[in-house]
Amino acid sequence: KAGVTQTPRYLIKTRGQQVTLSCSPISGHRSVSWYQQTPGQGLQFLFEYFSETQRNKGNFPGRFSGRQFSNSRSEMNVSTLELGDSALYLCASRELGEQYFGPGTRLTVT
Amino acid sequence: GESVGLHLPTLSVQEGDNSIINCAYSNSASDYFIWYKQESGKGPQFIIDIRSNMDKRQGQRVTVLLNKTVKHLSLQIAATQPGDSAVYFCAETRGNTPLVFGKGTRLSVIA
Repeated sequence: KAGVTQTPRYLIKTRGQQVTLSCSPISGHRSVSWYQQTPGQGLQFLFEYFSETQRNKGNFPGRFSGRQFSNSRSEMNVSTLELGDSALYLCASRELGEQYFGPGTRLTVT
Repeated sequence: GESVGLHLPTLSVQEGDNSIINCAYSNSASDYFIWYKQESGKGPQFIIDIRSNMDKRQGQRVTVLLNKTVKHLSLQIAATQPGDSAVYFCAETRGNTPLVFGKGTRLSVIA
């Protein structure tokens, strides 16, 4: 089985812009979660989608949003980018049990 | 490669020695625990998990111990190899609630 894939792998944006990141889960996995990883805060949960519905949401501002499509692929969007949004954004999928992570998208905001 | 944590505790071990990485979890209601390994430039990789009805679980060269009384989790790696060098995270959850990750420990293997 192919693993979790994320695109793009690297992205550079300027403050005020918006960005969309994409995640393709492992085939058959209906749950997709997004995490933000920074040196200072570690791994922080953003949100989880299950069968196209947001099931859980972390403590992030409304500028962070996501969605899931009928094929379980997911996107997250960050609007009005701030310098502090620079991070590694990780996507993880699961069906039952453990989550499998993708390689992440490294977002740099200048 | 990418840095996953500039301020992580670091454990340095000699190649061939055993490593023990510790984690204190926060929620006494958590019933499922996972250890992940993250190498530079990669996403976290599942190592081993344990449910709260167990206190020990063994995998290949790894053992996880769970002490619910003091909310403590440990990961033991036998005969540590250079390829084990990475950042290790514990994570806890209950049911369908999101994983909550610890801050991580950097393991450095000295050849």
